[in-house]
Amino acid sequence: GEDVEQSLFLSVREGDSSVINCTYTDSSSTYLYWYKQEPGAGLQLLTYIFSNMDMKQDQRLTVLLNKKDKHLSLRIADTQTGDSAIYFCAESTEYGNKLVFGAGTILRVKS
Amino acid sequence: NAGVTQTPKFQVLKTGQSMTLQCAQDMNHEYMSWYRQDPGMGLRLIHYSVGAGITDQGEVPNGYNVSRSTTEDFPLRLLSAAPSQTSVYFCASSYSAGATGELFFGEGSRLTVL
Repeated sequence: GEDVEQSLFLSVREGDSSVINCTYTDSSSTYLYWYKQEPGAGLQLLTYIFSNMDMKQDQRLTVLLNKKDKHLSLRIADTQTGDSAIYFCAESTEYGNKLVFGAGTILRVKS
Repeated sequence: NAGVTQTPKFQVLKTGQSMTLQCAQDMNHEYMSWYRQDPGMGLRLIHYSVGAGITDQGEVPNGYNVSRSTTEDFPLRLLSAAPSQTSVYFCASSYSAGATGELFFGEGSRLTVL
């Protein structure tokens, strides 16, 4: 079945880059996503990448996809304290929005 | 612009009680879904709906019922609550089934079953 795994915790200093990693098992994934959850709130879509792409850049965010190794990463440049949150990796296959989520990575940004 | 609204935000139940978590969206979205979030396990899909009158099971449907009589509303019913259903529940919607997967989430409902 589908499975998405992430490391549980990452701590960085303000101004540094953050890299959050994710691995997935389903080779038929069509889209891969990064969602952000701030305390007490629901998830918000940060960015997504189609499975035929290797990289996507959106302002401070860079998504890298290695389809051979089924590895997805999210790089946040110049990390700010406001980036402290839980980041979820997710994949979809049959329906575009029937998503399978990882357990989430807690990002802590120290000032 | 309300988006996805969930009620109640917090609820405490005793084992065996039943209740309904409400979800409403005002974006005319076809697709609606319920997830539960548990520590270390991410979000797991309970039930989903691709339109009014159509529902289907997700990964963890046991102990939950849903219905979709209107486009706007997608309530989740716990028939006989159990401690294992203690969780944070999220309702999410999307413009259409088969879209690029941008789900819009409610703020969550935290349920404790004693």
